[in-house]
Amino acid sequence: DQQVKQNSPSLSVQEGRISILNCDYTNSMFDYFLWYKKYPAEGPTFLISISSIKDKNEDGRFTVFLNKSAKHLSLHIVPSQPGDSAVYFCAASAHSGAGSYQLTFGKGTKLSVIP
Amino acid sequence: GAGVSQSPRYKVAKRGQDVALRCDPISGHVSLFWYQQALGQGPEFLTYFQNEAQLDKSGLPSDRFFAERPEGSVSTLKIQRTQQEDSAVYLCASSFTSDEQFFGPGTRLTVL
Repeated sequence: DQQVKQNSPSLSVQEGRISILNCDYTNSMFDYFLWYKKYPAEGPTFLISISSIKDKNEDGRFTVFLNKSAKHLSLHIVPSQPGDSAVYFCAASAHSGAGSYQLTFGKGTKLSVIP
Repeated sequence: GAGVSQSPRYKVAKRGQDVALRCDPISGHVSLFWYQQALGQGPEFLTYFQNEAQLDKSGLPSDRFFAERPEGSVSTLKIQRTQQEDSAVYLCASSFTSDEQFFGPGTRLTVL
């Protein structure tokens, strides 16, 4: 069973508008969440993260919102730029357990920003 | 370079062959992770090292998969008697803390 779900395989947005990428999780032990961006033939690149003690984290054009009660997080990109076109992965980890801080990833959402 | 490097970038193997994939983590990073990414999927955890100690290998799919990091730096993922279902991109990541992981470009393995 998928513990991290990204239900939208793709998203198209006009340049300058807001992109909203969604992610849902099922494991209540997850307490740290990350977004990675991936271009073809490259490894994932860290974008932004949020701890479960917060509900919002902002870094420039990127903001991540966390709704723990709904087990839902979202990434907002404002304004969207053509260079943002990539696959975005949501990932989660559990720091409080005895595990290795391994990341559990969703399947990704391909964002296309149209000029 | 300052990032995580992996070699080879591409590997084609005949079914039944053994392969070895190398990862050079960022200098000073204590933690090292291996992930497997199948086509159209997100990366899936394989194994984790803290320095030279392999603390978690719960994600290794079978006993044909073996990983080592003998000196706490470079790591090698070995797959014995490769099967077609082993075809995937193998990603290595390293981190200094328990938070952000830095990924290499991956090795794309194709088993014919």
